[in-house]
Order: sequence, then C-alpha cells, then structure tokens
Amino acid sequence: EIVLTQSPGTLSLSPGERATLSCRASQTVSGNYLAWYQQKPGQAPRLLIYGASSRATGIPDRFSGSGSGTDFTLTISRLEPEDFAVYYCQQYGTSPFTFGPGTKVDIK
Amino acid sequence: EVQLLESGGGLVQPGGSLRLSCATSGFTFNNYAMNWVRQAPGKGLEWVSGITGSGGTTYYADSVRGRFTISRDNSKNMLYLQMNSLRAEDTALYYCAKDSGSGRGWHPWGQGTLVTVSS
Repeated sequence: EIVLTQSPGTLSLSPGERATLSCRASQTVSGNYLAWYQQKPGQAPRLLIYGASSRATGIPDRFSGSGSGTDFTLTISRLEPEDFAVYYCQQYGTSPFTFGPGTKVDIK
Repeated sequence: EVQLLESGGGLVQPGGSLRLSCATSGFTFNNYAMNWVRQAPGKGLEWVSGITGSGGTTYYADSVRGRFTISRDNSKNMLYLQMNSLRAEDTALYYCAKDSGSGRGWHPWGQGTLVTVSS
C-alpha cells in the first residue's frame, strides 16, 4: 500500500498570501496519478488537480500542482477567503487507492 | 449535469448489514469506473472500494475486504455497496465518486450517506 504523508498538518496564513502544501508518497506513484481535493465543512471533496499538475474544469489558475515520483506540491498563489479549507492528496494509480491525512489551511 | 445521490445509510447494530445505493445521471454510466470513499466523523478520507465500468473488476480496501461487496446495475445507472458484519469503526459518511477516466481524477462526488454502527 502506498502511504501518503502531507505536511504541514495545519497552515495558518492570511488572505493574499501564498500557500505551499506538500504530499510525499512511500513509493513511486504510478503514472503520476496524484490528485488534490479541497473539502470545506459539510461539503463533499472537490477535485482541484489531477495527474499531479492538471487543473480540473472550473478550478481557478491560482491553484497549481507540481511534482513527480514520490514528491508533490499544491500551491495556492494568493489565498482567497473561500480557499480556507482542508486539502487532501490522493494516489489513484495503484490499488488500494490512498489519501493523505490532509492539510488544514486556516486563517491567521 | 452529472449528479450522484447516495442513499441507504442509517443506524445499524454491530454485526448487522446495510446496502448503500448511489443513483447517477448526466453521463454514460457504463463507460466509467466508480468508487466508494468514507469519512469517519472528524477524520480524513478513506477509499473503500472501486468497480470498473463493466463491473467485471472490483477492488477493496483491506479493512472491508470479505465484508463489503461493490456492484453496479448499468441498466439502472446505479452503484451499490453491500455492507455485512458491520463494526463500530465502519461508522462514517459514505460518498460515491465517479472516476473521470484517462487519469483525470475522481469527479464529481455525491453528498454522502451516513452510516452509524452502534448498539
């Protein structure tokens, strides 16, 4: 099983600041099938990034993904008020498909 | 518009069974793999099970293998999760999620149905 580790656990930032979230895999993610999801309280997860670096339909360009192999990053260039949420990475290249524990981005 | 709507959750005693359903619309159902993902109260996301578009191949997390069965009825555009021998640790909000195919991630997700296992 591929274990995903996310850091930091919590990121306290102000609107307008840049957020950098990390996701590290215990082994190579097949096909770079690494996704990022955003989840707000009481809502279902929303796909932001797939294939490590491709933005899903309708996702603002302030969200970007990078990385390959075992190290991946989600960057939010300038935080908007609606971006404060929990972010999960997921590998969907090898069953069992696994999620990281999440990074909470909260308002400083 | 693609829509997913889960149902079938509820309160069940340990050792009991439940069948979850996910009604889908807005896409050619049999062309897409589907998944179940759960989230225990206040916790993170845990993938539970997946099934290919034809239904011919299924996948399970170790935590549910042998107890849960995923299936689909492509004539009705429905996804199911039969859950047997339920345990307290199965208590969670269960989401169905559509695999977009070609490595494009899982989108969208339903709003979830709550399963509570308690005596």
